[in-house]
Amino acid sequence: KAGVTQTPRYLIKTRGQQVTLSCSPISGHRSVSWYQQTPGQGLQFLFEYFSETQRNKGNFPGRFSGRQFSNSRSEMNVSTLELGDSALYLCASSLDPSGYEQFFGPGTRLTVL
Amino acid sequence: AQSVTQLDSQVPVFEEAPVELRCNYSSSVSVYLFWYVQYPNQGLQLLLKYLSGSTLVESINGFEAEFNKSQTSFHLRKPSVHISDTAEYFCAVTPMNRDDKIIFGKGTRLHILP
Repeated sequence: KAGVTQTPRYLIKTRGQQVTLSCSPISGHRSVSWYQQTPGQGLQFLFEYFSETQRNKGNFPGRFSGRQFSNSRSEMNVSTLELGDSALYLCASSLDPSGYEQFFGPGTRLTVL
Repeated sequence: AQSVTQLDSQVPVFEEAPVELRCNYSSSVSVYLFWYVQYPNQGLQLLLKYLSGSTLVESINGFEAEFNKSQTSFHLRKPSVHISDTAEYFCAVTPMNRDDKIIFGKGTRLHILP
C-alpha cells in the first residue's frame, strides 16, 4: 500500500507570493491533518479535514487555508508569504477522526526569500 | 485540553550506552500516548503507542516506553543505542474520545556519539 505522498518536496518562493501544497493520503484514509514544523516551534497543528470538512483548526492566521476533495486528497494554501513561513509542512492521514494513529508524508520544504 | 512536555531538547549519548528520553503530559481526560521518530529529511513514523493494558510497550527496534499515570509520564528508553538511532523523537497525546487533535511535544534530538 502506498504511503502518504506530498508534492512538491521542495519549494522556493519570495515574500508576498502564494503557494499551494498537495497531499495524497493512504488509500482508504479519509482524515488528513497538516502541520508546520520549524526548529524553534516544533510541530504545530494547522488543520484537520475529514469528508471535505474542516474538523479542527490550529492558531494560524487566515493566510493559511486548506481544503479536501472528494477523493480525500488535500491541499493547503498560504497567501502573502512571509519569511517566517519558511518551514517543513507535513501532512498526515488516518482512517478517520477516531483513528488514533497518523501516518506522515515526507513533507514539503518551503523556503521564503 | 492536553499538553506535552519533552524535558530535553537534545540528548547526546555514546553508542551502546542506554538512553532515556523524557515525556510528561497533562490532560483532564484519559488519553492515548505515542512516540514518533523522525529520521533526517523524512516525515514522522510511529515508534510505539500506549492505548490500554500493559503499561510497558515495546517497539520492534528495541525501544520501550512505560506509561505512569500517577506521574503523568511516558518516558522512552533503550538499553543500548546504535548510530542508526540518530533522529528526533516526538512524544504525542490524544484524548481517547478523539474530540480534539493530537498534540505533539517539541521533540528531543538524539545524538549518538561514536
